[in-house]
Amino acid sequence: EADIYQTPRYLVIGTGKKITLECSQTMGHDKMYWYQQDPGMELHLIHYSYGVNSTEKGDLSSESTVSRIRTEHFPLTLESARPSHTSQYLCASSEYSRPQETQYFGPGTRLLVL
Amino acid sequence: DQQVKQNSPSLSVQEGRISILNCDYTNSMFDYFLWYKKYPAEGPTFLISISSIKDKNEDGRFTVFLNKSAKHLSLHIVPSQPGDSAVYFCAASDSNYKLTFGKGTLLTVNP
Repeated sequence: EADIYQTPRYLVIGTGKKITLECSQTMGHDKMYWYQQDPGMELHLIHYSYGVNSTEKGDLSSESTVSRIRTEHFPLTLESARPSHTSQYLCASSEYSRPQETQYFGPGTRLLVL
Repeated sequence: DQQVKQNSPSLSVQEGRISILNCDYTNSMFDYFLWYKKYPAEGPTFLISISSIKDKNEDGRFTVFLNKSAKHLSLHIVPSQPGDSAVYFCAASDSNYKLTFGKGTLLTVNP
């Protein structure tokens, strides 16, 4: 199982602030993902990366941006937080292998924008 | 339009009995299916998976069954334990590798 870390675990912030959610994994996985989940709802993919300098937008439109400068690090940034960004953000990683590719998740960041 | 559906938002069972969680999908291109368990304020934990070339996969107390013709899979937990109480997500993947999740089923195992 992957060791994948997210910080902060909880964040309460005012509208208009810039925030960066950190995600790191120590397994050397090529692929990393960001999901957004609201209570009682499914996880929605907002960003993914297949390797260094590779980033793509997911199925759910998001105002956030990501970068992948190092294999182990995949931070997510919101330039100007709004109450509509309040949600849980989950980072995941997986090895690039088929057919049995399994994503492993970090503990998540709960974001509350006031 | 949801491609992965978990129609039961919640399920309650007695300790020691079997828990059966169900999942339906609509996309015939899905070829790999996973179950995740999630506690509040934590990330999902991978439980068990199944490839579309199989109809059953077992790991300890957890068994996943896949019925491709019905586009249906189920997770059986036996015997159920209070520590199994959590939200269970069904997920499916196709050749694009991205996962599509259901909305989850809250399982409560009563002592």
